[in-house]
Amino acid sequence: GQSLEQPSEVTAVEGAIVQINCTYQTSGFYGLSWYQQHDGGAPTFLSYNALDGLEETGRFSSFLSRSDSYGYLLLQELQMKDSASYFCAVREAAGNKLTFGGGTRVLVKP
Amino acid sequence: NAGVTQTPKFQVLKTGQSMTLQCAQDMNHNSMYWYRQDPGMGLRLIYYSASEGTTDKGEVPNGYNVSRLNKREFSLRLESAAPSQTSVYFCASSESNLEGTDTQYFGPGTRLTVL
Repeated sequence: GQSLEQPSEVTAVEGAIVQINCTYQTSGFYGLSWYQQHDGGAPTFLSYNALDGLEETGRFSSFLSRSDSYGYLLLQELQMKDSASYFCAVREAAGNKLTFGGGTRVLVKP
Repeated sequence: NAGVTQTPKFQVLKTGQSMTLQCAQDMNHNSMYWYRQDPGMGLRLIYYSASEGTTDKGEVPNGYNVSRLNKREFSLRLESAAPSQTSVYFCASSESNLEGTDTQYFGPGTRLTVL
C-alpha cells in the first residue's frame, strides 16, 4: 500500500516563499505529482518528478529525493491567488493510479 | 473541448435511494477514475478503468459499482445510498502513458448529500 504525509496548513504573507513537504511510504514508486485545488474547485496538475532533483515551472518548483522517499513543492513570490490546497500524489510503479496525500491548505495574507 | 464533464453538479438523496453519477471526457484518454473527497481531506480512489472494457477497485469501493460504457464515458452507481457516502465525487481521466507525467484531468465534481 501507499501512505503520504504532508502538513495540514501553512500561512504566509504575499511575496513570501512557502515549502510544502511530502514524505511517502510505498510498495512501488514511479513518480511524485503535485496538484492544486481552490475551494469549491477541482484539482489541477502542477508538476511531476520521476527523477531526483528540482523541476521549475515559473514561480513553482518541485523537488524529489527517491532515496529519502521525500519531495517538496516550493511556492515563490506568493500571491493571494495561491491560497488553495496542495496535494502530493504518488504514481505506482508500472501503473497509472495515483494515491493522494491529505493536502496542505495554504493561506496567503496581505 | 469540454474536457471532463460530470452530471449532476448537486444531488440530495434519502438513505436507501439509488443514483448514477455520469462522467464523460472528450480527450480520447484511455484511463478514467472516480474519487471521493470528504471535507478537509484528500482524494480517495473508488474505482478506475485503465482502458475501455476494464474496471478495477480502488481504495474505497464498498457500496459503489461502475460501468465503462465506452471510451468516453465512465459512470458510478450507488445502489443503496448511506449517510457515510455524503461527499464530493470527482471523475478524472488520463492518457495512461507509461512515460512522463500521465497527468490526470478532473471534472468539476458532484456534491452529494445523503440524508
